[in-house]
Amino acid sequence: DAGVIQSPRHEVTEMGQEVTLRCKPISGHNSLFWYRQTMMRGLELLIYFNNNVPIDDSGMPEDRFSAKMPNASFSTLKIQPSEPRDSAVYFCASSFSRAAGNEQFFGPGTRLTVL
Amino acid sequence: DAKTTQPPSMDCAEGRAANLPCNHSTISGNEYVYWYRQIHSQGPQYIIHGLKNNETNEMASLIITEDRKSSTLILPHATLRDTAVYYCIVRGPLGANNLFFGTGTRLTVIP
Repeated sequence: DAGVIQSPRHEVTEMGQEVTLRCKPISGHNSLFWYRQTMMRGLELLIYFNNNVPIDDSGMPEDRFSAKMPNASFSTLKIQPSEPRDSAVYFCASSFSRAAGNEQFFGPGTRLTVL
Repeated sequence: DAKTTQPPSMDCAEGRAANLPCNHSTISGNEYVYWYRQIHSQGPQYIIHGLKNNETNEMASLIITEDRKSSTLILPHATLRDTAVYYCIVRGPLGANNLFFGTGTRLTVIP
């Protein structure tokens, strides 16, 4: 299994531009998570989906951020317009929810730099 | 989810056992203890989890005290590749999917 796949691995853009981050979860997993990591705030959950449905988006910082999961094998996180404070590493993770515990498997992350 | 407390950093000699403590005094009966680690520039990696009993897998052992208010992650023979930030997380079963990572313990394995 290739694990969680994220693209691009690095993104450099200018303030005001639209940024789209992509994630392919592990096949068979039914939950998908988007996290953001910065030095100041550590690792924060932005949103998570269960069976392609957004369950909790309380971590999404503001309306400039949006996430979709059109099917079980693909999700996007979009920032429009981007700002320098959005610079961070964005991780996608997936898991299979079960009563005995559901370990999350993380992708390699996308390092976003907004100039 | 219950809050956890971990030392900010620890050192361990290569080949020796690394014992990483975690306090979770407010843990409730149905909450699991999870351990993840993050090696520099990589995504977090699941290590192990447990509810009441001690657990062991190919990566580590998890020792949970009888009152469940603290636990210890043991890496039996630390290698340089085990240098990472280790996160202890307490969370409930289904319905509480988000993981709160906190600041973790930065383990440095010394040659």
